[in-house]
Amino acid sequence: NAGVTQTPKFQVLKTGQSMTLQCAQDMNHNSMYWYRQDPGMGLRLIYYSASEGTTDKGEVPNGYNVSRLNKREFSLRLESAAPSQTSVYFCASKWRQKNTEAFFGQGTRLTVV
Amino acid sequence: AQSVSQHNHHVILSEAASLELGCNYSYGGTVNLFWYVQYPGQHLQLLLKYFSGDPLVKGIKGFEAEFIKSKFSFNLRKPSVQWSDTAEYFCAAGGGSYIPTFGRGTSLIVHP
Repeated sequence: NAGVTQTPKFQVLKTGQSMTLQCAQDMNHNSMYWYRQDPGMGLRLIYYSASEGTTDKGEVPNGYNVSRLNKREFSLRLESAAPSQTSVYFCASKWRQKNTEAFFGQGTRLTVV
Repeated sequence: AQSVSQHNHHVILSEAASLELGCNYSYGGTVNLFWYVQYPGQHLQLLLKYFSGDPLVKGIKGFEAEFIKSKFSFNLRKPSVQWSDTAEYFCAAGGGSYIPTFGRGTSLIVHP
């Protein structure tokens, strides 16, 4: 069972470069989320997609864009990477209207130099 | 707005010591509560969850948590920790259509 799959696992970017983090889930969940994890800050929500065809900003959306490509896939794009975006990024998914937990991907460790 | 706060940011214990990590939440409506664990270099895994019913919830690896509605708390406990419990622990709230919201995490180090 794959669950939530994120690619890549590691990435180093130069300031100003762009990249897309990919996330796919095979649990037929309708809601998907992107978080960033920084030391002492916990997980902060960047963007989320409550259901296919919708996306909304979270707590820290600046410098990011997202695309909900279909029910399975939710990508996060950094258009012009900055050192402040050095972080570990987690994708998660869950059923929107059921009382269940969120399931997480393995994370992407991104370093911007 | 929903929020989750964890009081202990860093905890250091010796093996066999008892553990209690505090979590308080601010939430409108029916709340679902969770504790996740993140072992070094890994992703978040669910330890236990509370939706309704018995406020004392038992999870994996001997962990338990108690939901106290009057105190808006959901503290995590383990009677006797092991070196392998060294990890970061996150309290979270959310369920149904609510967005999962996380506390800042507690780093637990257990010395053998």
